[in-house]
Amino acid sequence: DAKTTQPNSMESNEEEPVHLPCNHSTISGTDYIHWYRQLPSQGPEYVIHGLTSNVNNRMASLAIAEDRKSSTLILHRATLRDAAVYYCILTMNNNNDMRFGAGTRLTVKP
Amino acid sequence: ETGVTQSPTHLIKTRGQQVTLRCSSQSGHNTVSWYQQALGQGPQFIFQYYREEENGRGNFPPRFSGLQFPNYSSELNVNALELDDSALYLCASSLWGYEPEPQHFGDGTRLSIL
Repeated sequence: DAKTTQPNSMESNEEEPVHLPCNHSTISGTDYIHWYRQLPSQGPEYVIHGLTSNVNNRMASLAIAEDRKSSTLILHRATLRDAAVYYCILTMNNNNDMRFGAGTRLTVKP
Repeated sequence: ETGVTQSPTHLIKTRGQQVTLRCSSQSGHNTVSWYQQALGQGPQFIFQYYREEENGRGNFPPRFSGLQFPNYSSELNVNALELDDSALYLCASSLWGYEPEPQHFGDGTRLSIL
């Protein structure tokens, strides 16, 4: 199974952009890259996903390297509500086996 | 639009007992997945159900079993409970497709084994 590697923790200041990296050097051609986040005492929340091209939605942007061996989740202006554990996950196209790692704990400072 | 709801929110059992956890999918979703999340770790995939049949399973023993009902709600059953089964159990629903659709998670059932 393709695995992902993320930093254990990151810090950001409020209203500044945050770039959360993820390495997935063993990704296969059919693997999608997903990002979820988990706020304290809640279930995970979908953030964004992509295959090859960069993606944008109302929550974040996903930048995918040309060789697809890494990706970056971009929060354009961090707020205190963005403090959470962020998970980078690879799945095949039918999305039936999401393997979460330990994720990156993001702390946002006022 | 009703989100994913799980019941109960907390549960205490003893070793050797059996437990049933319940999940109501988000309206319109036909796929449900179950995850186990130990303290301080990421969720671990248990299995997924689609059209009332198991559609993928993680590395969990057969004493973890499930059901999906015609209304797409679901149950997770765990037999012969062990201390290591203490965890947060998460249910997620989604719409089946040939491309990934976002999974919508409930807030989980906290299971404690004494």
